[in-house]
Amino acid sequence: ETGVTQSPTHLIKTRGQQVTLRCSSQSGHNTVSWYQQALGQGPQFIFQYYREEENGRGNFPPRFSGLQFPNYSSELNVNALELDDSALYLCASSPFGASHSPYNEQFFGPGTRLTVL
Amino acid sequence: SQQGEEDPQALSIQEGENATMNCSYKTSINNLQWYRQNSGRGLVHLILIRSNEREKHSGRLRVTLDTSKKSSSLLITASRAADTASYFCATAPISSGSARQLTFGSGTQLTVLP
Repeated sequence: ETGVTQSPTHLIKTRGQQVTLRCSSQSGHNTVSWYQQALGQGPQFIFQYYREEENGRGNFPPRFSGLQFPNYSSELNVNALELDDSALYLCASSPFGASHSPYNEQFFGPGTRLTVL
Repeated sequence: SQQGEEDPQALSIQEGENATMNCSYKTSINNLQWYRQNSGRGLVHLILIRSNEREKHSGRLRVTLDTSKKSSSLLITASRAADTASYFCATAPISSGSARQLTFGSGTQLTVLP
């Protein structure tokens, strides 16, 4: 167990709806990254948050948005859901600062399985 | 898009045998990491090798890195049924101007038969 938690575990939505996924980072970690993992594929980077600001973004449309809160927990919001958004959404936390590289190992949560019908 | 590509896509071996997985990538890297994922669950970090390192060991794991060939290999010795999982390589970019992300390959599905 990494200490990173995600909720909910599973979610079923219909096309066009909106969804919010939540992540609590490991204690002491101030950076949260979100990944999308389609079935049979590796995770793809959505974006990263550091100190409540977006710190990098992958090739995802603007309907994917996020937030980070002062306690470093984070939300991923997806608007106007499409069938292709069905995937496992993974949150990962890591420490970042003068003595830490942002490229060190990341600690993953168990994921949220989103199904869009 | 996936930067790394693992080879083979699937590997099936007997318990006690060694398992070797390979990863190729395209751009210059700060480090390369290997992760393990049990079916449909979160990823677990296994080992990190920096771009100036050539080989690293951790328990039954041995990782090599060849930056001239942009490739890495993961060797699991004396495999166990509990090693059955998907294994992913992930690269971290060298440039601080890049998005601070890990780029994952498509994974190798390892099955260890008892």
